[in-house]
Amino acid sequence: DTEVTQTPKHLVMGMTNKKSLKCEQHMGHRAMYWYKQKAKKPPELMFVYSYEKLSINESVPSRFSPECPNSSLLNLHLHALQPEDSALYLCASSQELFGVGEQFFGPGTRLTVL
Amino acid sequence: QKEVEQDPGPLSVPEGAIVSLNCTYSNSAFQYFMWYRQYSRKGPELLMYTYSSGNKEDGRFTAQVDKSSKYISLFIRDSQPSDSATYLCAMSAGTGNQFYFGTGTSLTVIP
Repeated sequence: DTEVTQTPKHLVMGMTNKKSLKCEQHMGHRAMYWYKQKAKKPPELMFVYSYEKLSINESVPSRFSPECPNSSLLNLHLHALQPEDSALYLCASSQELFGVGEQFFGPGTRLTVL
Repeated sequence: QKEVEQDPGPLSVPEGAIVSLNCTYSNSAFQYFMWYRQYSRKGPELLMYTYSSGNKEDGRFTAQVDKSSKYISLFIRDSQPSDSATYLCAMSAGTGNQFYFGTGTSLTVIP
């Protein structure tokens, strides 16, 4: 199983809502990532967990809050988002931290903030 | 200057054509070079990766790296409509180092 799954596929939320994005992998990977991708732009790294500990936070606003409950799951909690936060949110995983040739991406959650 | 530069296209070719996609970079520490394919509204899928300079072939795809010129290419032979996607290059100084992505090139293969 070389799949990274993400739920939901689409999410529409108001600026006062609280929602969560979920990511799951069963490849035994120890590094998991959240990226944000705007249209016609490359993925931008947001957070990295390595062995369930937050190892990189790319100066992301506090309205985004990551959580790694166990080695297979990664959540991104959203609160008081702004319309400019609308984007495709991608989860990825790899065996080692930034393991070359082994970073698998999920299909993404398309987020729209009204 | 951006770490990685990639012509966004769009690029439109007839079926069966040879496609050439390119990226340039500025950081001489990059050792690993990757190509991802991203279909519309989907996550990137790793196509190929190479280490240092040289060529690597996988089916219809050939990746080429010229470290002296800081230039990488992906060639697609006998292009198919199913190859229509955005192609992202990515680079890294090695395991444990962050990936740097290009902006992606949008490719359409016309039947």
